[in-house]
Amino acid sequence: EPEVTQTPSHQVTQMGQEVILRCVPISNHLYFYWYRQILGQKVEFLVSFYNNEISEKSEIFDDQFSVERPDGSNFTLKIRSTKLEDSAMYFCASKASYGYTFGSGTRLTVV
Amino acid sequence: KQEVTQIPAALSVPEGENLVLNCSFTDSAIYNLQWFRQDPGKGLTSLLLIQSSQREQTSGRLNASLDKSSGRSTLYIAASQPGDSATYLCAVNHLGGATNKLIFGTGTLLAVQP
Repeated sequence: EPEVTQTPSHQVTQMGQEVILRCVPISNHLYFYWYRQILGQKVEFLVSFYNNEISEKSEIFDDQFSVERPDGSNFTLKIRSTKLEDSAMYFCASKASYGYTFGSGTRLTVV
Repeated sequence: KQEVTQIPAALSVPEGENLVLNCSFTDSAIYNLQWFRQDPGKGLTSLLLIQSSQREQTSGRLNASLDKSSGRSTLYIAASQPGDSATYLCAVNHLGGATNKLIFGTGTLLAVQP
């Protein structure tokens, strides 16, 4: 069964550092997403990406965040200057007619 | 604004029991509804997807129903097993905005006691 792959599974970073979270979506899917889940809270939508551009972003997705699909297979989320409150599980997802497929997530810890 | 609520927040049952998890949403303008399972510290595993035109979907011991007009969905788990212990998340694929993003409930934490 096709999978969405995320790397790394866990990343620890110093406050103020840049991080890049990587995802390989399912190859024939057209819509890609990032969601996050702060410990003990709901899974929240961050951004959707279609046809090589952002199609929608939430109020959480401010100027510190950016997404790219640099080579047609990878899909990345960059946080420019991490804050303590960015600590969360970040999920990548891609979508087909049968619904969403999520990756196993990257746990980001900002210290 | 679409809000998704799940009750109960936590449930503990003995092995073998049948159980029902509830999900409600405030805006019936949905494209579909998806149930997920989340193990502690892990990703989201899709269980069942119900399109807005459907009333129910079944997969093995799982059955999900949808009543769009009343804003409700249920996930029925038959003959529960300890391996079913996890958090179950309901998410609606909301019609609105540029893309049909998922809006999640807070989940039901299920513990099945052997």
